[in-house]
Amino acid sequence: NAGVTQTPKFRVLKTGQSMTLLCAQDMNHEYMYWYRQDPGMGLRLIHYSVGEGTTAKGEVPDGYNVSRLKKQNFLLGLESAAPSQTSVYFCASSYVPPASGAQYFGPGTRLLVL
Amino acid sequence: KQEVTQIPAALSVPEGENLVLNCSFTDSAIYNLQWFRQDPGKGLTSLLLIQSSQREQTSGRLNASLDKSSGRSTLYIAASQPGDSATYLCAVVLVEYGNKLVFGAGTILRVKS
Repeated sequence: NAGVTQTPKFRVLKTGQSMTLLCAQDMNHEYMYWYRQDPGMGLRLIHYSVGEGTTAKGEVPDGYNVSRLKKQNFLLGLESAAPSQTSVYFCASSYVPPASGAQYFGPGTRLLVL
Repeated sequence: KQEVTQIPAALSVPEGENLVLNCSFTDSAIYNLQWFRQDPGKGLTSLLLIQSSQREQTSGRLNASLDKSSGRSTLYIAASQPGDSATYLCAVVLVEYGNKLVFGAGTILRVKS
């Protein structure tokens, strides 16, 4: 049982390049989330999914797209990376919504956009 | 807009000391409040979850309290150990947005041996 895994662990992009971050969970969780963490600002929700085939916007969705084609995977895409997207990205999943129970977090992806 | 504030931003204590971390939030209409631990370069680990109807939760040397009316929570760590050194984050789930956690910026704790 690997829990929540994220790929890649670290990536450097040039402004304008695109990339996809992969989150995978093996706990059969319905809910999945993408957060970004910036110094002094805590974690902020980018997008989330309440089940396979569904996605919804969070607090800071601009510049990102997501897809949940399979229940165990949640992909975060950056179509045209900007320096403001330099951050640490965390994926999380849960069996129930946050109102009812805890979330399980992946180890993070550190992204640097030059 | 809900704001979550954690005080202090950083704390350094000698091993064995009891300590308190503080979390305050502006909107009292919450489902629950959660405390997480984050080790350097790692993800978050859930420590305690307090539902809005509860006053406190305990796990080992950790005790978290919730005063929803005043918008405050405290995390009490008894007999601190060097292994407790980490960043501690609190987060609330708003009634208005049941699928969203709103995080504070965290308290960086260092326990010196």
